[in-house]
Formats: sequence, structure tokens, C-alpha cells
Amino acid sequence: DVKVTQSSRYLVKRTGEKVFLECVQDMDHENMFWYRQDPGLGLRLIYFSYDVKMKEKGDIPEGYSVSREKKERFSLILESASTNQTSMYLCASSFGGDGYTFGSGTRLTVV
Amino acid sequence: QKEVEQNSGPLSVPEGAIASLNCTYSDRVSQSFFWYRQYSGKSPELIMSIYSNGDKEDGRFTAQLNKASQYVSLLIRDSQPSDSATYLCAVKTLGAQKLVFGQGTRLTINP
Repeated sequence: DVKVTQSSRYLVKRTGEKVFLECVQDMDHENMFWYRQDPGLGLRLIYFSYDVKMKEKGDIPEGYSVSREKKERFSLILESASTNQTSMYLCASSFGGDGYTFGSGTRLTVV
Repeated sequence: QKEVEQNSGPLSVPEGAIASLNCTYSDRVSQSFFWYRQYSGKSPELIMSIYSNGDKEDGRFTAQLNKASQYVSLLIRDSQPSDSATYLCAVKTLGAQKLVFGQGTRLTINP
């Protein structure tokens, strides 16, 4: 089975901190995605990548950046964390036309 | 009009009955369709994928696709309390790497 691993299950950070969320997949998937999920708002795409060093903005990229230096790793960076970035962050990967496999999620609280 | 629409629910079904979850989509070139199950506080899990018109069965789950009507559904037979979760419909169009998700339907199975 494909495994998508997110480095932290729960994270608490202070306003203004730079935050790194890491995601690693072990099945050589070309596509990787970062979503946030908030009650009543569903899944919202932040950024995605379809190849190493390639990135595409999703629906809500403001305040975020990403890095994909190796195929298996896709990092989400909050440049200066704010309280409105408190959310569940979900990483996913996929190959071609297949569905996504999601990681277990990181619940980030910004105080 | 939202690209992928689901009734948010909650949908309440007695144990042992058939639960029927519905999803409509707006893009006629959509080609791949997925159902995800998400338990509270957990990440989405892929349970069914369907690519051609008709029915696809997997255990107690049946996915139904009607491209002419732009409609996809998920039937859960012999519903169990463990089926209580939010079900997300996702659609992928030809040539796209990303999925478009509906808001999800919250399903409750009553013992």
C-alpha cells in the first residue's frame, strides 16, 4: 500500500513564526498536493506539484509556499503564521488518473 | 454553480438499511470519479473509484455512474454503525492532475 507520511500529527505555533509541514510518500507518485480542511468549508487546495521542482497554485495559496526538491517529499511553508491559518492540513499523492492517497493530517494551531 | 455538489446532510439511516449518497458534477469532460470516507478527526480514505457508466460493486459498496445525467452515487448495503462518517465525492477531468471535491455528506447509521 502507498504510504503518505506527515511529520507531525499536532502542532502548536506562535503568530509570526515560520512553519514547515513535511510530507513524504513512498510509491514514486508524480503528483503531490497540500489541502487545508475547515468546518463548513470543505477541502481547499493550497498548492500542488506534478514533478520535482514544479509547483502550481491552488485555490488559496496566499500566505503559503511549497518546496519539492525530491520526488518523494513535498513541504508546505507558512512564511509568517497567523491565527487564521489554524486548520487541519492534509497532504496527498497520486499517480496519473488514480485517486489520491492522503496522509493522516496535521492539526495546526496558531496562537 | 459549484463544480461538484453533494447534499451536506446529515443523512440518517437505520442499521441494516441501504444508505444512498448522491453527487452531481458540472464539467462534462469529467472522466474519473471517486468516493472517500472520512471519520471525524481523520483523513479521507479512498473507498471506491469508477470510470465508466454503470455500476461497480465492492463488498457492501456500489458506485453508480451516469455521465449523461452527470450524476454519481454510492450505495451502502446492510449499513453498520461503523459506516457513520462524512462521504466525499471527487471528480477528475481529462488531462487534469487534481481532483475537485464536493463538500461531503455526513451519514449517521442509527443502531
